[in-house]
Amino acid sequence: QVVLTQSPSASASLGASVNLTCTLSSGPASYAIAWHQQQAQKGPRFLMRLNSDGSHTKGDGIPDRFSGSSSGAERYLTISSLQSEDEADYYCQTWGTGIVFGGGTKLTVL
Amino acid sequence: QVQLVQSGAELKKPGSSVRISCKASGGSFSNYGITWVRQAPGQGLEWMGGILPIYGTSSYAQRFQGRVTIIADESTRTAYMELSGLRSEDTAVYYCARVSGTTLWYYFDYWGQGTLVSVSS
Repeated sequence: QVVLTQSPSASASLGASVNLTCTLSSGPASYAIAWHQQQAQKGPRFLMRLNSDGSHTKGDGIPDRFSGSSSGAERYLTISSLQSEDEADYYCQTWGTGIVFGGGTKLTVL
Repeated sequence: QVQLVQSGAELKKPGSSVRISCKASGGSFSNYGITWVRQAPGQGLEWMGGILPIYGTSSYAQRFQGRVTIIADESTRTAYMELSGLRSEDTAVYYCARVSGTTLWYYFDYWGQGTLVSVSS
């Protein structure tokens, strides 16, 4: 089954940009993924579907500050002009060989 | 605007069962999958299974086979997840989510608010 690997934590300053990475392994590097955001004590929120060519489709009301890109087996979520409300856990998800989630990255906004 | 509203928190004894509901509003109910994901305290997301209301067919993660049942009532636009044989390790927040297509093998585009299930004697 596909494995999705995420760094456990990341941090960046208010107003800066940050890239979060989700790495596909044990499966085709061509798989699309989805990114979900989970703020503290809240349910997850769908951010975007991200294809292997970097094209992406965002969820309802997701700001332009959130974008995605891809390179090989890596899938990236870029958040620019960081705001305090971006502090959250970010999960990637894929579905090619069953539903799989990455372990999540906890983003701290300094 | 699609919304998924789940039933309230539950406190259960070990060995008992719990049934959680997920009521959908906005958009089509039958033409999308509904899936269930749980999150143990301080842990990540774990897929449990899902249902395609239009066909009434369900699929479950292997580790929950035999203990979980997912059904959907199209007339009330409500999906239900029942977990039996509860143990302390089942203490978690349980989420329903809509699958963005008439399949279970796709991304989840709307989520419920979550239901806390606590299992304790």
